[in-house]
Amino acid sequence: AQSVTQPDIHITVSEGASLELRCNYSYGATPYLFWYVQSPGQGLQLLLKYFSGDTLVQGIKGFEAEFKRSQSSFNLRKPSVHWSDAAEYFCAVGANQAGTALIFGKGTTLSVSS
Amino acid sequence: DTAVSQTPKYLVTQMGNDKSIKCEQNLGHDTMYWYKQDSKKFLKIMFSYNNKELIINETVPNRFSPKSPDKAHLNLHINSLELGDSAVYFCASSQTGATNYGYTFGSGTRLTVV
Repeated sequence: AQSVTQPDIHITVSEGASLELRCNYSYGATPYLFWYVQSPGQGLQLLLKYFSGDTLVQGIKGFEAEFKRSQSSFNLRKPSVHWSDAAEYFCAVGANQAGTALIFGKGTTLSVSS
Repeated sequence: DTAVSQTPKYLVTQMGNDKSIKCEQNLGHDTMYWYKQDSKKFLKIMFSYNNKELIINETVPNRFSPKSPDKAHLNLHINSLELGDSAVYFCASSQTGATNYGYTFGSGTRLTVV
């Protein structure tokens, strides 16, 4: 079955500390992987995406993610978290084919403490 | 210009009413989607249209009926609204086979059924 697992429901990080949000996927076809962020009451903003090539991808707001095929993982990282990063983070997997749709993980809530 | 626009942004209505949510995209994409985000923030695909043809129809009550008059528009009509329909509904679009494949989401419609 196609699925995305985000094992951490809620993470609290001190401002200035590093961050890693985990994502594991199960997908039959070549996966297209995405990370989205949703601030309270807002829509979904794309942070970064991976299709092929270099397995370390850079995104907006200083985020990066690493694709590891052997572990079926696509973890999101940031070296130094800012208070404004507090939000809901979603990992998603899809395929560039008609008849498919993005499958989302259940999200990880990031809180930032001062 | 907003790439994917949804109207209305907020919708408060009584149980039993019928309501519609409209979505328009000006990206020239061939595929549009409706997602439902429940109170636990989980995003689930409901429907997808490719060039006006319904291609994804997940297990959704038949009170929900999507309509795509052309490939730039995808509307969602809901009959006999129930309390459990309260959620945020997101419209999205994508272009099948694009080299820069990705989804563009609207800002969401928060539906509250009272």
